[in-house]
Amino acid sequence: GGIITQTPKFLIGQEGQKLTLKCQQNFNHDTMYWYRQDSGKGLRLIYYSITENDLQKGDLSEGYDASREKKSSFSLTVTSAQKNEMAVFLCASRGQGTGQLYFGEGSKLTVL
Amino acid sequence: GDQVEQSPSALSLHEGTGSALRCNFTTTMRAVQWFQQNSRGSLINLFYLASGTKENGRLKSTFNSKESYSTLHIRDAQLEDSGTYFCAAEANNAPRFGAGTKLSVKP
Repeated sequence: GGIITQTPKFLIGQEGQKLTLKCQQNFNHDTMYWYRQDSGKGLRLIYYSITENDLQKGDLSEGYDASREKKSSFSLTVTSAQKNEMAVFLCASRGQGTGQLYFGEGSKLTVL
Repeated sequence: GDQVEQSPSALSLHEGTGSALRCNFTTTMRAVQWFQQNSRGSLINLFYLASGTKENGRLKSTFNSKESYSTLHIRDAQLEDSGTYFCAAEANNAPRFGAGTKLSVKP
């Protein structure tokens, strides 16, 4: 079996700071996703990538950038951290845009 | 508007009883996936369906693409079934999640 590793697990930043979250998968999956989960809410899609160097905007892409430089990794950058975006960010992957999603354990963002 | 509407938002069951959770879709979906999110926040895969019904132990899920809904049935609920259940449905490559059903199982 494979695993999805998200780093860091906890990220604390200042308002206005640029912050980056990283996600690595060893499933050899083609498609990767970033979701945001606010406390007590469902997951909202930020960005996804169906192959290396591909980027697709989700419903919540404003204020975020993403990068898929390698098949195994997908990074998410918060361009200017705001207090109202304190949340858990979840990375997921799956093969060839179909089939079940596999999730990492999440990265919790706190903005001071 | 939201593409995935999940109900109920909260549900309380006594051990040994059962119930159904439902997701309605406002557009035609090609597949649905169900997850349980535990108290640590981990998302556990329960089912992935492109059609029909799947069963696993005390859980059963159905996906009806034509009528735009999916259900998750839990029978003989146990304390460890407590958590938040999410459905995620997709029309293309991008699964969208419902708001979740918070399930509490009591002794």
